[in-house]
Amino acid sequence: SAVISQKPSRDICQRGTSLTIQCQVDSQVTMMFWYRQQPGQSLTLIATANQGSEATYESGFVIDKFPISRPNLTFSTLTVSNMSPEDSSIYLCSAPRTSGVLDTQYFGPGTRLTVL
Amino acid sequence: GESVGLHLPTLSVQEGDNSIINCAYSNSASDYFIWYKQESGKGPQFIIDIRSNMDKRQGQRVTVLLNKTVKHLSLQIAATQPGDSAVYFCAENAGGTSYGKLTFGQGTILTVHP
Repeated sequence: SAVISQKPSRDICQRGTSLTIQCQVDSQVTMMFWYRQQPGQSLTLIATANQGSEATYESGFVIDKFPISRPNLTFSTLTVSNMSPEDSSIYLCSAPRTSGVLDTQYFGPGTRLTVL
Repeated sequence: GESVGLHLPTLSVQEGDNSIINCAYSNSASDYFIWYKQESGKGPQFIIDIRSNMDKRQGQRVTVLLNKTVKHLSLQIAATQPGDSAVYFCAENAGGTSYGKLTFGQGTILTVHP
């Protein structure tokens, strides 16, 4: 399985501030993905982070609110901008790893964000 | 850990019983399906996957069944153990331009009683 780490593991932030979450993968991957898991909910894809090009966002998510960087093939950051309490969630990154003949998505441990 | 008990269906079993967790998926174009286990305070952990050209795949103590006709996926866990207690999610991917993008089901909370 892929080894994916995230920093910070959790944070408590004030409304109106921004937080940048880091994701590191132990091998080079073309695509990385960012998900949000709101309290008591399932996971929702925010965006695809492509190396060398702009991130592509899913419906309901915009670059101004969730800017993403992908400076190399093993690293990505997601920023949650101008936070409000509604942004309190777990933010997860994922990356593929070939398991047999399939590319399976593996997840990091998540960043637990609380906005006051 | 996070609160996951408010909105998700639940399944309670006794240790040693077999568990069956069901999932209905939405996209008839999906060709790849994954089951994940998420323990409190952790990210989703890969359990088993299956492609749409199969209807059954077995792993260690787990079996995934796929019924494309009714767009239904199930996860069977044999001889369930207390360590299996977690939230289980199915996820689907349509491939092609959607490569890597997963759509998750709502999740099921499995509680195993000793």
